[in-house]
Amino acid sequence: SQTIHQWPATLVQPVGSPLSLECTVEGTSNPNLYWYRQAAGRGLQLLFYSVGIGQISSEVPQNLSASRPQDRQFILSSKKLLLSDSGFYLCAWKRTGLNTGELFFGEGSRLTVL
Amino acid sequence: AQSVTQLDSQVPVFEEAPVELRCNYSSSVSVYLFWYVQYPNQGLQLLLKYLSGSTLVESINGFEAEFNKSQTSFHLRKPSVHISDTAEYFCAVSAATGNQFYFGTGTSLTVIP
Repeated sequence: SQTIHQWPATLVQPVGSPLSLECTVEGTSNPNLYWYRQAAGRGLQLLFYSVGIGQISSEVPQNLSASRPQDRQFILSSKKLLLSDSGFYLCAWKRTGLNTGELFFGEGSRLTVL
Repeated sequence: AQSVTQLDSQVPVFEEAPVELRCNYSSSVSVYLFWYVQYPNQGLQLLLKYLSGSTLVESINGFEAEFNKSQTSFHLRKPSVHISDTAEYFCAVSAATGNQFYFGTGTSLTVIP
């Protein structure tokens, strides 16, 4: 069976510090990978998605970046965090080549920027 | 691009009463539609999905949703809610030929004993 792991689960960082959130999928090959941010009362905002190694599509310009160094690894980064980066970050995956597939989500990483 | 509007941010309902959570979407192409549920501090879980065929789709725990193309809606209903249904519910849309999934702002369902 397939599983998705995100870490860390909780993170408290000062403004201006760097960020690295990691996501790994197991039990499948060449998945589509996604990063979403959930802010209070604002639903889920699609940040990045990837259809393959090194292929990143950005949905909104902002202080964050994403990378996919390996087939089943997706990393969300920032060089300098802003207060507005606080939120609940969710990684998700979808089977490739199956447009009828749904997203499968990780348990999320809660980031608080102080 | 596609977008989703969930018309109600909070829906309180008494236990065993019926409930409807509203979702409207916007798209110029064919879409797939989804409802997800989120419990506190957890990721999202798929509740049900519409891909094609019958416009009425059902979940294993009594929820159902009907795809209405003319009204661009995909409302979620349950005839009798339980305390355990208290959660955040998200409607999502994906283009039939695309990779992006777009979510609404969510509806917080609170079931009152």
